[in-house]
Amino acid sequence: EAEVAQSPRYKITEKSQAVAFWCDPISGHATLYWYRQILGQGPELLVQFQDESVVDDSQLPKDRFSAERLKGVDSTLKIQPAELGDSAMYLCASSLTGIEAFFGQGTRLTVV
Amino acid sequence: RKEVEQDPGPFNVPEGATVAFNCTYSNSASQSFFWYRQDCRKEPKLLMSVYSSGNEDGRFTAQLNRASQYISLLIRDSKLSDSATYLCVTKPGAGNQFYFGTGTSLTVIP
Repeated sequence: EAEVAQSPRYKITEKSQAVAFWCDPISGHATLYWYRQILGQGPELLVQFQDESVVDDSQLPKDRFSAERLKGVDSTLKIQPAELGDSAMYLCASSLTGIEAFFGQGTRLTVV
Repeated sequence: RKEVEQDPGPFNVPEGATVAFNCTYSNSASQSFFWYRQDCRKEPKLLMSVYSSGNEDGRFTAQLNRASQYISLLIRDSKLSDSATYLCVTKPGAGNQFYFGTGTSLTVIP
């Protein structure tokens, strides 16, 4: 069964350091999402791509977060500098039709 | 106002019980509706889509009331393995993002 791949699974970083997460969506899925989920809350969208183009990054804190999907396949989400409040689960999801989303296992980030 | 509002629970029910979750959504233009299940510290997984006519999948029944803008999930004959957080999700259109509620926590007790 095709899956969304994410790495790393876990990341501990010190405040003010840079951190990067990688996502490889299900083959052929044009839409890719990065969501952030704080413990006890539902996932919230950071950025949505359609192929290599950003569709929605209105909730991405652009002073410290950046995301790219250069060839319209895999994607990288970066935080620089990391802050304590960035501790969360970062979830990548992909969709073929835009109707249903499939999530990767996520990257659990702890900022100390 | 949040797009999707859910009662966070927790719901603690005995095995075999029937339990119902509701959620409300604010965007009347929403076109797609889902329930996702999320186990502790895992990713959300699609449980079922929700259709206007209502739909059933085994012990799970989902219903949509567009006039009142609420979605429900009914779980019959609860199993221990049903213990999880259930996320209510809406989507305005195919090109839009998925909006998640905060989730409702269910624990099924032996």
